[in-house]
Amino acid sequence: GAVVSQHPSRVICKSGTSVKIECRSLDFQATTMFWYRQFPKQSLMLMATSNEGSKATYEQGVEKDKFLINHASLTLSTLTVTSAHPEDSSFYICSAREYVGSHGYTFGSGTRLTVV
Amino acid sequence: GESVGLHLPTLSVQEGDNSIINCAYSNSASDYFIWYKQESGKGPQFIIDIRSNMDKRQGQRVTVLLNKTVKHLSLQIAATQPGDSAVYFCAEILNQGGKLIFGQGTELSVKP
Repeated sequence: GAVVSQHPSRVICKSGTSVKIECRSLDFQATTMFWYRQFPKQSLMLMATSNEGSKATYEQGVEKDKFLINHASLTLSTLTVTSAHPEDSSFYICSAREYVGSHGYTFGSGTRLTVV
Repeated sequence: GESVGLHLPTLSVQEGDNSIINCAYSNSASDYFIWYKQESGKGPQFIIDIRSNMDKRQGQRVTVLLNKTVKHLSLQIAATQPGDSAVYFCAEILNQGGKLIFGQGTELSVKP
């Protein structure tokens, strides 16, 4: 079946630094990838949708200059949290969809970001 | 971003009992719904899905019911096992852009 690899699984960074999270589709080409954020004991909140070769579409209230998304190839999307602060600490999860109209969304295993 | 920042409700059941997890979705135009299971520290895992033109679908030990009139989904787990302990989310696929939006979620705890 479809597999999405997300890396790193855990990262601790200092306040003010930037962190990059990678999301790779291993055995399929993903035209669309989605990035979610999840706080403890809460649901997954959609942050942005990224389509290969074009700019990401951000959800209302999500700062695009703070959460930089790049989807340069059909198998890789990256999320960079810039100038991270403690309130950015969260669980970030990516999801990949093979083609427009597909109902198959494959999730990565998530990245636990802690900003100290 | 979409979704509501409420804390998860919990459901505690005895091993072997049936579990029913409920979910209200928001968009009447959504045409596809999915239930996911999420274990601690992991990404969501697909359980079962249903199209909006159906009202029931059965899988192995799981059944999903859809009531479009009141925008309600339920997930029934038969003979619940300790390994079923996790957080369960319903999700809807929005027609525009195919965005997958998650509902509130329920934490299921199975007592041996």
